[in-house]
Amino acid sequence: GAGVSQSPSNKVTEKGKDVELRCDPISGHTALYWYRQSLGQGLEFLIYFQGNSAPDKSGLPSDRFSAERTGGSVSTLTIQRTQQEDSAVYLCASSLVPAGDSYEQYFGPGTRLTVT
Amino acid sequence: SQQGEEDPQALSIQEGENATMNCSYKTSINNLQWYRQNSGRGLVHLILIRSNEREKHSGRLRVTLDTSKKSSSLLITASRAADTASYFCATCSGTSYGKLTFGQGTILTVHP
Repeated sequence: GAGVSQSPSNKVTEKGKDVELRCDPISGHTALYWYRQSLGQGLEFLIYFQGNSAPDKSGLPSDRFSAERTGGSVSTLTIQRTQQEDSAVYLCASSLVPAGDSYEQYFGPGTRLTVT
Repeated sequence: SQQGEEDPQALSIQEGENATMNCSYKTSINNLQWYRQNSGRGLVHLILIRSNEREKHSGRLRVTLDTSKKSSSLLITASRAADTASYFCATCSGTSYGKLTFGQGTILTVHP
């Protein structure tokens, strides 16, 4: 079946612009996660959705970052007024139930964001 | 902060040899998972081991978990050039369901 898809695969933007990153999880997966991977910080958790609510958004680095999920499916991560330190690969993952119940997370190919 | 710390940071071996990667973590966990990443993009789930399990096998992979030492190891037997990738351990703790905390990863290079 189809895996997790993300768009765009690459995004180059100017400092100060807003960007939207999209994630389509595997159909039927109720849990959705955003992570980012950068050279200096490794893989960092950003936010977790269960259905349309976000019980854990502790990893969002600043109020410039927000995310939403609609219909228990597609999620959008928005970064406002982008800064160069936002440059990273943004990864989305989904799972049947939260990982605490011992289900693995399936990752998408990521969006490489470059802020110039 | 990174919960999992892996060693070695890089490992270079010949095809057919075994590769062992280690992961240590700091807090109690519900489960520990290992992922592989090729070319810096999407991660592929390899194996999940629960906190009440000590060892798990999947094909050429063997994972052990020692909760008393807060450590895990991933063994890849009879390695192939196609196993060349970065390998990450990730922990899921009881205080935050869904949140995976990743280690820095081990870069494995298998020479044909």
